[in-house]
Amino acid sequence: EAQVTQNPRYLITVTGKKLTVTCSQNMNHEYMSWYRQDPGLGLRQIYYSMNVEVTDKGDVPEGYKVSRKEKRNFPLILESPSPNQTSLYFCASSPPRLAEIYNEQFFGPGTRLTVL
Amino acid sequence: AQSVAQPEDQVNVAEGNPLTVKCTYSVSGNPYLFWYVQYPNRGLQFLLKYITGDNLVKGSYGFEAEFNKSQTSFHLKKPSALVSDSALYFCAVRADTGRRALTFGSGTRLQVQP
Repeated sequence: EAQVTQNPRYLITVTGKKLTVTCSQNMNHEYMSWYRQDPGLGLRQIYYSMNVEVTDKGDVPEGYKVSRKEKRNFPLILESPSPNQTSLYFCASSPPRLAEIYNEQFFGPGTRLTVL
Repeated sequence: AQSVAQPEDQVNVAEGNPLTVKCTYSVSGNPYLFWYVQYPNRGLQFLLKYITGDNLVKGSYGFEAEFNKSQTSFHLKKPSALVSDSALYFCAVRADTGRRALTFGSGTRLQVQP
């Protein structure tokens, strides 16, 4: 089944404790992206990647890192999480033609992160 | 900068009645417009898009949207609502040139009563 998976689905952590949220897609998509969803703000893009070893900042990159060493994986790293990073996070992927023109992305199920 | 406004936090409609979820946008250049739906505990699912051409766009599950350039709107519509349509709906926009990232609206919760 074609899908985007994220792990963990739920995470409660404390301020300053490094964490990684994994994202993996099995559709051989070049384009991958991370969003955070907050009430009243919709989805905001954190980082995106057009291909392996190619990443770029989205609208709200502060406090996050990403890497793209393989096409299928795009982990989101919080080096020193803070309470304002408590949010619902979504990973998405797309083949480049769709991403560049149509932006028809495939979303993962989401990771709910709470930073105490 | 591009932006999207969804003026209603929630829309309530009775099953069988027509529904409209409103969206207005602001973008430099020509817009690419999208609607996504989010069911509880799920990621977003693509519903439909407007890129160019006919102003009335048809999408999944019987939904359609009308692009109105003069009013900078892209309202989502369905002639007859189903209880199963109850979900959170997001409008999104990007310009036809430049940065590829979508800008999403804040979302509208659609509640269809039996």
